Amino acid sequence: DIQMTQSPSSLPASLGDRVTITCRASQDIGNYLRWFQQKPGKSPRLMIYGATNLAAGVPSRFSGSRSGSDYSLTISSLESEDMADYYCLQSKESPYTFGAGTKLELK
Amino acid sequence: EVQLVESGGGLVKPGSSLKLSCVASGFTFSSYGMHWIRQAPKKGLEWIALIYYDSSNKYYADSVKGRFTISRDNSKNTLYLEMNSLRSEDTAMYYCVSTRWDYWGQGVMVTVSS
Repeated sequence: DIQMTQSPSSLPASLGDRVTITCRASQDIGNYLRWFQQKPGKSPRLMIYGATNLAAGVPSRFSGSRSGSDYSLTISSLESEDMADYYCLQSKESPYTFGAGTKLELK
Repeated sequence: EVQLVESGGGLVKPGSSLKLSCVASGFTFSSYGMHWIRQAPKKGLEWIALIYYDSSNKYYADSVKGRFTISRDNSKNTLYLEMNSLRSEDTAMYYCVSTRWDYWGQGVMVTVSS
């Protein structure tokens, strides 16, 4: 099975900060990598697909990148509405696997 | 407007069975594969099952294989998850999700407890 190692698990940050969350894949997943945002009591929301593509309606301050087996989600200038949990997902093959999640919170 | 509405959850005893439903609207349900994803309280997301658009293929996580069955009825725009031999560790919010990963239901809670 493909393991997704996500870091950090918790990320205290201030409004206006540039923040980056990373997932490392244990095997080649190409660009079959998605990022989700989840706010308390809500369903996850797709933010990035194909490792680098912004999903519909997602603000342009969000971006995705890839370097080898490392995939990153970056928020260029943190806003209060971005405080949430974030998860990566490899969708290359079954069993599909999520990262353990990153809790983005105000410092 | 796309909607996925899950139902069928509740409180059951260990060893019991339960069948979840997910009714889709606002998109061509019969053209999309569908997943079930779950999230235990205060925990992360776990993929548990996938069914192709035409039911030709089904895949399961090891944690549910042999106990859960995914199925669909395209004439009713409905996805199902039949859950047998339920365990306390199956306690979670269950979401139905399209294979584009952009349509999620609101989730239905399943609690397994004696």
